[in-house]
Amino acid sequence: AQSVTQLDSHVSVSEGTPVLLRCNYSSSYSPSLFWYVQHPNKGLQLLLKYTSAATLVKGINGFEAEFKKSETSFHLTKPSAHMSDAAEYFCVVSANNNDMRFGAGTRLTVKP
Amino acid sequence: NAGVTQTPKFQVLKTGQSMTLQCAQDMNHEYMSWYRQDPGMGLRLIHYSVGAGITDQGEVPNGYNVSRSTTEDFPLRLLSAAPSQTSVYFCASRRTGGSTDTQYFGPGTRLTVL
Repeated sequence: AQSVTQLDSHVSVSEGTPVLLRCNYSSSYSPSLFWYVQHPNKGLQLLLKYTSAATLVKGINGFEAEFKKSETSFHLTKPSAHMSDAAEYFCVVSANNNDMRFGAGTRLTVKP
Repeated sequence: NAGVTQTPKFQVLKTGQSMTLQCAQDMNHEYMSWYRQDPGMGLRLIHYSVGAGITDQGEVPNGYNVSRSTTEDFPLRLLSAAPSQTSVYFCASRRTGGSTDTQYFGPGTRLTVL
């Protein structure tokens, strides 16, 4: 079985300050992990993915995430938030080809 | 490429009515899937297909049927709509190279069942 827990349903930061969105996972197998972003009334876009290569993964728009097996975590970070980063972010785990489990999502608000 | 397209964008049904949500992709992807998105619950997998003629159930399949007669199309059918099926539905596709492949999502269909 596999599951994802996003530890914060809502995160609010000021523009120019760091972003941290937390994700813990559970998986019986070596997982693949993803972060997706969803802007209001839009579909989902892949930010980055971990596939058992480097543990620090760089994605689009300055985001990155670090896979920590000992902590079963895959937190998403960005050094400096931009207004356009305001969106909902989903952490996703997949332990086989056909079953992806999404977290409940974290809504990121960026204040000017 | 148009990517993954979904129709309609919005739909209102009465309880007991049936309808089909359409999904098409032009990327020649073998794998296609349907998710529903509900507030506070992320996306949950309804059904998926790894190729024409092959479908399987996901996490929340009850009340939904699918078929895959072509590589391009993967319609989702609600035979007798219920208010609990009010949700936003997303179709997605990817190659079947593995779970590491990027999934491409459609823009979604917002369904309300009264």
